[in-house]
Amino acid sequence: DAGVIQSPRHEVTEMGQEVTLRCKPISGHNSLFWYRQTMMRGLELLIYFNNNVPIDDSGMPEDRFSAKMPNASFSTLKIQPSEPRDSAVYFCASSFSGVPGYTFGSGTRLTVV
Amino acid sequence: GQQLNQSPQSMFIQEGEDVSMNCTSSSIFNTWLWYKQDPGEGPVLLIALYKAGELTSNGRLTAQFGITRKDSFLNISASIPSDVGIYFCAGQLSGGGADGLTFGKGTHLIIQP
Repeated sequence: DAGVIQSPRHEVTEMGQEVTLRCKPISGHNSLFWYRQTMMRGLELLIYFNNNVPIDDSGMPEDRFSAKMPNASFSTLKIQPSEPRDSAVYFCASSFSGVPGYTFGSGTRLTVV
Repeated sequence: GQQLNQSPQSMFIQEGEDVSMNCTSSSIFNTWLWYKQDPGEGPVLLIALYKAGELTSNGRLTAQFGITRKDSFLNISASIPSDVGIYFCAGQLSGGGADGLTFGKGTHLIIQP
């Protein structure tokens, strides 16, 4: 199994631009999570899906952030418009209900200048 | 919301020394997990704990789920260079993978030659 696949690995964009981060979960996993990691705040849960349905988006910082999961094998996290304070590493993770913990992708390092 | 206090923030040790780190919570969790993150990668699950009082080992790693369900510790015996990284504790309300994890801020382990 290739694990959780995220793309791109690195993204540098200008303030005000739209950014789309992509994630392919492990096949057969039915839960998907988006986390953001910064030095100041550590790992923060942004949103998670069960069976492609958003369950809890209370961690999404603002309306500029949106996430979708159109099918069991793909999810996107979009930031529009992006701001410098959005610079962070964004992780996607997936799991199977009944198995604790989850598997993380390698992350997307986003830099907004 | 739930908060996890992880300590110490960083540890500078000599190769071969034992390491101990812990995590406390203001809330009860039903599952405790310990992850390790290498530079440029996502966190990887080391140990999962399911019951209060449980003591679990994985090679040189030993972790315990506190009786109160509000704390956990991780010990690493006879540290080696590849143990370098950031260790995170995480709490989960459910026993399965269907909800989000709350993470501690991490313990940076640095091994001096």
